[in-house]
Amino acid sequence: SAVISQKPSRDICQRGTSLTIQCQVDSQVTMMFWYRQQPGQSLTLIATANQGSEATYESGFVIDKFPISRPNLTFSTLTVSNMSPEDSSIYLCSAGQGANTGELFFGEGSRLTVL
Amino acid sequence: GQNIDQPTEMTATEGAIVQINCTYQTSGFNGLFWYQQHAGEAPTFLSYNVLDGLEEKGRFSSFLSRSKGYSYLLLKELQMKDSASYLCAAFNFNKFYFGSGTKLNVKP
Repeated sequence: SAVISQKPSRDICQRGTSLTIQCQVDSQVTMMFWYRQQPGQSLTLIATANQGSEATYESGFVIDKFPISRPNLTFSTLTVSNMSPEDSSIYLCSAGQGANTGELFFGEGSRLTVL
Repeated sequence: GQNIDQPTEMTATEGAIVQINCTYQTSGFNGLFWYQQHAGEAPTFLSYNVLDGLEEKGRFSSFLSRSKGYSYLLLKELQMKDSASYLCAAFNFNKFYFGSGTKLNVKP
C-alpha cells in the first residue's frame, strides 16, 4: 500500500494568482496522476506525472495552466496558474504500481476556492 | 476517446443487495476498477477485474464482460455506512479513467 500526503488541504486564492500543490508518497511508485473533482462530480484526469520528464496532459489541460513536476519516484507538484473562479475544485494526487497490483491510492485532496 | 457510463443515483434498503452497473468504451483496456468515495473523502479501492468473470471480496463482488464492455459491482447485506458514491474506472495505457459515479443511498 501507499500513503499519500497532499498540501495544502485547502486554500482560498485570489483571481490571477498561482498555487502549487505538493504530493508526497511514502514509498516509490511507478505511476502518479493528478485529478480534478468538481463538487458532486467524478474525477477528471488532468495529467500523468512522469518522473524526470514532462507530464502527459489529457485533452483540455495544458502545461502553461497546470505545470507539473515529478523530480523523483515519491514526489510531485501541480501548479494551478493564473487562477479564475472556474478553477475552484478539489485537486487529487494519486499513485500506484500498475494494473496488476489492482489499486490506485489517493491523497486526501486539496480544496481550492478562487475568489 | 474514453466513455464510461454509470447510473447517477440509486436507493436501496439496509440488508438488501444492490447492483451498480458500468459500461465502458475505451481505446484500450487493461482492467476495470471500482472505488468507493464518501462525501468529503478520497476514493478508496474496492475491487478490480482484468479477466472476464466474478471477483468476490467479502460483501463486495465485481463482474466483468470484456466483450460487452460491461461491469457491475454487487453489494450484499447493505449497511448504512455503504451510503457513498461508487466510481468505476477503466485502466488503459497506464491511465485510470473514471466514470461519473453512482451515488448510493441506503435507507433503514
